[in-house]
Amino acid sequence: DQQVKQNSPSLSVQEGRISILNCDYTNSMFDYFLWYKKYPAEGPTFLISISSIKDKNEDGRFTVFLNKSAKHLSLHIVPSQPGDSAVYFCAASRGSQGNLIFGKGTKLSVKP
Amino acid sequence: DTGVSQDPRHKITKRGQNVTFRCDPISEHNRLYWYRQTLGQGPEFLTYFQNEAQLEKSRLLSDRFSAERPKGSFSTLEIQRTEQGDSAMYLCASSFPTGLPNSPLHFGNGTRLTVT
Repeated sequence: DQQVKQNSPSLSVQEGRISILNCDYTNSMFDYFLWYKKYPAEGPTFLISISSIKDKNEDGRFTVFLNKSAKHLSLHIVPSQPGDSAVYFCAASRGSQGNLIFGKGTKLSVKP
Repeated sequence: DTGVSQDPRHKITKRGQNVTFRCDPISEHNRLYWYRQTLGQGPEFLTYFQNEAQLEKSRLLSDRFSAERPKGSFSTLEIQRTEQGDSAMYLCASSFPTGLPNSPLHFGNGTRLTVT
């Protein structure tokens, strides 16, 4: 039973445009959400996070939106750059333990 | 700070053999985590330590798996009597003592295990 779902296995966007990656979760007890980026042959790298008490968090070109009523979050990348091409994982946690529940990932391709 | 280091990067073994992986966390981090990732899936939690104490284990961690962190610094993950289903990327991560939400996990580059 997937508690964190990323329903789009892949996404292709043009350089300079917006990339929107989506994530849904089922467990209403999750209170912290993170996005990780992963390049081939490397471990996941932390990108941005959001607490359940917020609905938006912004860091440079990256913004995460959280809709608790819909149990949905999204990552916006503006403007997209070819170096953003990677697999993006959504993850969720309950409490401060660090037992992150990951989605299956979305492969983003940004074309020049 | 060289990040989280894992050794070896790749391991090929025959079914039934034992394997051991090592993880060296970021030096000031005292929480250490093991995850497993198979093709097409996200990382799955296996276990985590705070200092030398193993605080949580996933049901994925069968009795053939054992993790240790004897001195609260590096950790080892041993798999006994390997099976083909153990083939995966084994990821180690570390974080500051406060854990989430103040301290995201920092992952190493993983050890890729192939069981033939």
